[in-house]
Amino acid sequence: GQQLNQSPQSMFIQEGEDVSMNCTSSSIFNTWLWYKQEPGEGPVLLIALYKAGELTSNGRLTAQFGITRKDSFLNISASIPSDVGIYFCAGPNAGNNRKLIWGLGTSLAVNP
Amino acid sequence: NAGVMQNPRHLVRRRGQEARLRCSPMKGHSHVYWYRQLPEEGLKFMVYLQKENIIDESGMPKERFSAEFPKEGPSILRIQQVVRGDSAAYFCASSPGTGSDYGYTFGSGTRLTVV
Repeated sequence: GQQLNQSPQSMFIQEGEDVSMNCTSSSIFNTWLWYKQEPGEGPVLLIALYKAGELTSNGRLTAQFGITRKDSFLNISASIPSDVGIYFCAGPNAGNNRKLIWGLGTSLAVNP
Repeated sequence: NAGVMQNPRHLVRRRGQEARLRCSPMKGHSHVYWYRQLPEEGLKFMVYLQKENIIDESGMPKERFSAEFPKEGPSILRIQQVVRGDSAAYFCASSPGTGSDYGYTFGSGTRLTVV
């Protein structure tokens, strides 16, 4: 079945550094979603990508939908302590686009 | 303008008991989704419901698990005769159900612990 592979699994960075993480799949996705989950909370949608090659920003966050439709990356610039959390990529299942497939997440820790 | 409300936030059950998890979608949202998250993992789809209809329950175990979204009231995820492996965070999301975007809004989850 469809799977999403995220890397790195975890990151420890200093405040102010830029962060890059990515998500790959062996199958094509027509939509890529990036979520952030903080401890004890549900995921919150950060960026949604709907078109191959699309580059979208949301404040200090930038995400791109890969040309092959098999990957996406998320960048965070000038990280701050409140960026701490787990970042998930997700995409709709090919057979049922109301059902999301999720990666295992990238855990981000920021040292102030 | 409340978001998706889930309760309880934490639920402890002994093996063999029943767990009932409730989800009230955002106002105006008619589609509800339940996901399960095990520690250190991403979310796994369980079931997708519209009012009074189960649209897709392909991610839900065939036994002991059931879900409903009645005409009035919250959506309920019910787990009968819980076992230790049911311990997880259960998240509900809702969407307007129109259009092709993924305007999912997630609740804060119910953390089920089976002892």
